[in-house]
Amino acid sequence: NAGVTQTPKFQVLKTGQSMTLQCAQDMNHEYMSWYRQDPGMGLRLIHYSVGAGITDQGEVPNGYNVSRSTTEDFPLRLLSAAPSQTSVYFCASTRRGGGQRNSPLHFGNGTRLTVT
Amino acid sequence: SQQGEEDPQALSIQEGENATMNCSYKTSINNLQWYRQNSGRGLVHLILIRSNEREKHSGRLRVTLDTSKKSSSLLITASRAADTASYFCATTYFGNEKLTFGTGTRLTIIP
Repeated sequence: NAGVTQTPKFQVLKTGQSMTLQCAQDMNHEYMSWYRQDPGMGLRLIHYSVGAGITDQGEVPNGYNVSRSTTEDFPLRLLSAAPSQTSVYFCASTRRGGGQRNSPLHFGNGTRLTVT
Repeated sequence: SQQGEEDPQALSIQEGENATMNCSYKTSINNLQWYRQNSGRGLVHLILIRSNEREKHSGRLRVTLDTSKKSSSLLITASRAADTASYFCATTYFGNEKLTFGTGTRLTIIP
C-alpha cells in the first residue's frame, strides 16, 4: 500500500517555465489537496478537490492550476514559475465521509521546488 | 491567514522530560488535529479531538481542548530522541471542508 505518492522529489526551474507536480493515492480517498510549506509560514492550502471533476481554491491559488479527472490523481500545474513559488509542496488525501472534518489527512513526502 | 498559531515556536528539553505545546485558533471549530513532521518528510497524523471533547489520549500523547479559550495543548510525556520533530495543529470549522494549519512548534529532544 503506497499511500500518497508525489513526483518528482526535487525540481529546479527557471523563471517562466511551466511544470506539473504529480500526486497519486491508492486509498480511494475522495478528498485531495495541495499545500505549500515555507519557513515560518506553516502549511498553506493551494487547491483542493472533494471528488473527481470537482476542484476549489484554497488560501494561495494564484499561479497554480489543478484538475481531477480520476479519483487517484491530482496534479498541480505551475503555469509560469516565479521565484516566489520556491517552496516545498505537499499533497494530502483523506476519506470524505462526513467531510474531511473528521478524517486525518495522509501526506506525501513532498516536492522541493526551486525557481531561479 | 493561518487559523491556528502554535506556541512556543521552538522548544528544547532533555530526554525523559515532558513537552507541552499550545495551539490557539480564531473561530469556532469542528475539530482540531495534531500532526508531526520529521525533517524532510510529510506530515503524520497524531490525534484528532472533536469540539465536544475536552481531553484525548494516545500512548504518550495527551491533547486537551478548551473551546471557551479557543486553545488546545499537546503534551508528550517521557520524551525520547525520536520525538524530535515539528508539531502542527490544524483545524476545520463548520461549513467548510478545508483543514487549516498553524505555523508549528519545533521540538528538540536533547539526549
